[in-house]
Amino acid sequence: AQKVTQAQTEISVVEKEDVTLDCVYETRDTTYYLFWYKQPPSGELVFLIRRNSFDEQNEISGRYSWNFQKSTSSFNFTITASQVVDSAVYFCALSEAGGGSNYKLTFGKGTLLTVNP
Amino acid sequence: DGGITQSPKYLFRKEGQNVTLSCEQNLNHDAMYWYRQDPGQGLRLIYYSQIVNDFQKGDIAEGYSVSREKKESFPLTVTSAQKNPTAFYLCASSILPNQPQHFGDGTRLSIL
Repeated sequence: AQKVTQAQTEISVVEKEDVTLDCVYETRDTTYYLFWYKQPPSGELVFLIRRNSFDEQNEISGRYSWNFQKSTSSFNFTITASQVVDSAVYFCALSEAGGGSNYKLTFGKGTLLTVNP
Repeated sequence: DGGITQSPKYLFRKEGQNVTLSCEQNLNHDAMYWYRQDPGQGLRLIYYSQIVNDFQKGDIAEGYSVSREKKESFPLTVTSAQKNPTAFYLCASSILPNQPQHFGDGTRLSIL
């Protein structure tokens, strides 16, 4: 069975600090997809990134970067020079590629990030 | 603009009452999903639909029902059999499996 663990329930930082959100996953499939979503106070989930299991290249998008390591089953998310607008709940999620499971997205419990001015 | 519209934003249910949450998308996506979110919890899948006239149970389908008569619409009914319906409900869609899901703004359901 697939599982996603976000051990950090809440993180609080001061603006301009760098912050890393951890995500550890479990799956028996060799082909799978990992996602990060942001949920601001308004409630809607906003898609940030998708990676497949065969692509371990790290990715950078502006102040956001992602570190995917299959050896440790981790897909961590770093925000550089955090801003107050980054305050939100961040979810890591996993979907498997095979059979009926490919429609199912398993979410972690989320990390509440608060960036203080 | 393309997107997903959920209504109403807030909904109150009386004991023994069925209520229906609306979800409409104009993204031309084949797949649609319903999730339930409880405080401090991740999202849990209630039902999903791959194509019109087809839908599958997710992890917590008991007490819920859905229909998919049109590609654009995927309403969720919370029946009286759902004993703990108070939660935030999110609808999503995707063009294909394993592709990013697009989410609506959610409906917050409470018991009167």
